[in-house]
Amino acid sequence: DAGVTQSPTHLIKTRGQQVTLRCSPKSGHDTVSWYQQALGQGPQFIFQYYEEEERQRGNFPDRFSGHQFPNYSSELNVNALLLGDSALYLCASSLYGDSSNQPQHFGDGTRLSIL
Amino acid sequence: DAKTTQPPSMDCAEGRAANLPCNHSTISGNEYVYWYRQIHSQGPQYIIHGLKNNETNEMASLIITEDRKSSTLILPHATLRDTAVYYCIVRVAPGSGNTGKLIFGQGTTLQVKP
Repeated sequence: DAGVTQSPTHLIKTRGQQVTLRCSPKSGHDTVSWYQQALGQGPQFIFQYYEEEERQRGNFPDRFSGHQFPNYSSELNVNALLLGDSALYLCASSLYGDSSNQPQHFGDGTRLSIL
Repeated sequence: DAKTTQPPSMDCAEGRAANLPCNHSTISGNEYVYWYRQIHSQGPQYIIHGLKNNETNEMASLIITEDRKSSTLILPHATLRDTAVYYCIVRVAPGSGNTGKLIFGQGTTLQVKP
């Protein structure tokens, strides 16, 4: 049973460029959440996707956008990259409206470095 | 969303129990206590969660006080591989418009020493 997979594992970009990160959820999950983790900090919620729609958004500018595909996989896009966007980007999957309250499962993230 | 307070760091001897405290004095009745840990360069790993009863699984035990204002994660026999950052999170169960997002604090860095 495959867990959450993210690609690529590492990425180097320069300021002003655009980047796309990818996530495949754990089998049986239909919801994907994205988090940003700066060095030495806890992960910060960016947004969540379910049924191909953004359901909730954290305090991030609209340079950060996402997409969810019919197979539940998801992409995170960041435009006009800034040095401060350097971070570990984490994807977590879960089951929407899960009354049994099962936990979100995380991938190992994409390490994005901005030069 | 309720906030949590954890000590920034703790040490534990290998083979001994590690007891990690967490304060969540503003927790609401419908919020669960979750624990995750993050080993360097990996994604957060789920450990355990509970509402008001004590919980135990193959990884750890979770003790929640009767007033639910604090909890303790217990790793019964810590090993070197348990060295990680441990996050205590309170979370509303998903559903009824709640996404069940996780709000992470700074966590506790647990160093298990030989």
